[in-house]
Amino acid sequence: AQRVTQPEKLLSVFKGAPVELKCNYSYSGSPELFWYVQYSRQRLQLLLRHISRESIKGFTADLNKGETSFHLKKPFAQEEDSAMYYCALKGGTYKYIFGTGTRLKVLA
Amino acid sequence: NAGVMQNPRHLVRRRGQEARLRCSPMKGHSHVYWYRQLPEEGLKFMVYLQKENIIDESGMPKERFSAEFPKEGPSILRIQQVVRGDSAAYFCASSPGLAGSRDEQFFGPGTRLTVL
Repeated sequence: AQRVTQPEKLLSVFKGAPVELKCNYSYSGSPELFWYVQYSRQRLQLLLRHISRESIKGFTADLNKGETSFHLKKPFAQEEDSAMYYCALKGGTYKYIFGTGTRLKVLA
Repeated sequence: NAGVMQNPRHLVRRRGQEARLRCSPMKGHSHVYWYRQLPEEGLKFMVYLQKENIIDESGMPKERFSAEFPKEGPSILRIQQVVRGDSAAYFCASSPGLAGSRDEQFFGPGTRLTVL
């Protein structure tokens, strides 16, 4: 079955501390993995995708096929990073499968 | 470009009433997707439409739910005889229909439906 698991509902870190948001997936083919972010009162927006291998706002994510993981990392958290983060898998050409999301709170 | 528009943002209905949710895709986008987010869950795919065509409705409940994307006007997600379990956030996304992984979906702000 195709599934995305985000084990943490809430993650609180202090400003300047490293952040790792966990995402594991289950998919039989070659998946495309994404991280979406939803800031307070804003719409869901794409943060990064694994095929681009880019760093956005200091965040990176590496696809680990052996561990079927796509964890989101940032070395130094900032208060403006506080948001809801969703890991998503694209199964096929258009169907996204989302995890339940992790709320990141960066404390001053 | 105003982005994907959804209205209303909040909708309250009593059990048994009908709910109509509207989605206007981004300019130049001809593909529309509807997702539902139940409390404490992730977004779940419901239906994929192109103009005047339903491409994939595998995520739609078999009864009471329907969707359309007419030649003119917004896409409509219609829920007949709503029940309390329909209370959720309904998100619409649109894409330009590019080939393969380049076809990014852009999301609207969502409609929060509350059934009393």
